Amino acid sequence: DTEVTQTPKHLVMGMTNKKSLKCEQHMGHRAMYWYKQKAKKPPELMFVYSYEKLSINESVPSRFSPECPNSSLLNLHLHALQPEDSALYLCASSQVAGGEQYFGPGTRLTVT
Amino acid sequence: DQQVKQNSPSLSVQEGRISILNCDYTNSMFDYFLWYKKYPAEGPTFLISISSIKDKNEDGRFTVFLNKSAKHLSLHIVPSQPGDSAVYFCAAYGAGSYQLTFGKGTKLSVIP
Repeated sequence: DTEVTQTPKHLVMGMTNKKSLKCEQHMGHRAMYWYKQKAKKPPELMFVYSYEKLSINESVPSRFSPECPNSSLLNLHLHALQPEDSALYLCASSQVAGGEQYFGPGTRLTVT
Repeated sequence: DQQVKQNSPSLSVQEGRISILNCDYTNSMFDYFLWYKKYPAEGPTFLISISSIKDKNEDGRFTVFLNKSAKHLSLHIVPSQPGDSAVYFCAAYGAGSYQLTFGKGTKLSVIP
């Protein structure tokens, strides 16, 4: 099973809303990642968790707040987003950090 | 500075023929390379990888070749099928790095 699941599939939120994106994997992977992807661009790394500890934060604005409650779950809390934050948000996991990453289907986020 | 380059934004191939997707890199510290396939509005799907200690890796219809001296890798798909039509991303890790660097992608169209 190489499945990474993400919910919701689509999300529309206003600039004053607070929402969360969720990601789950049951492959026993110990590294999980958040990426942002704009149309016709490659994925851009936002955060890396390794063994449930934040290892990399790629200078992401504080309106994005990651959380790793356990080794299978990864959340991305969103608050006071801007319209330019509209994008496909992808979660990925790998057995260990730096390994082959398996991506979820993504959450299509629209900020109005 | 683009460290992973896919210079062909698009490629069209007849069904049954070979598809060759190319990727060049500039960072000599990269030591692990991956290819991903992406359909619109979905997350990337891992296809095949190669370590810098090898020059070829094969998995079914997919073969990746690595030429370290030229800092070049290629993905061969044979025979090509219409279902292979997607955007293909080349990606690379540096030794000990958790960050996967992606190319901009090549859109492959396989014509029936």
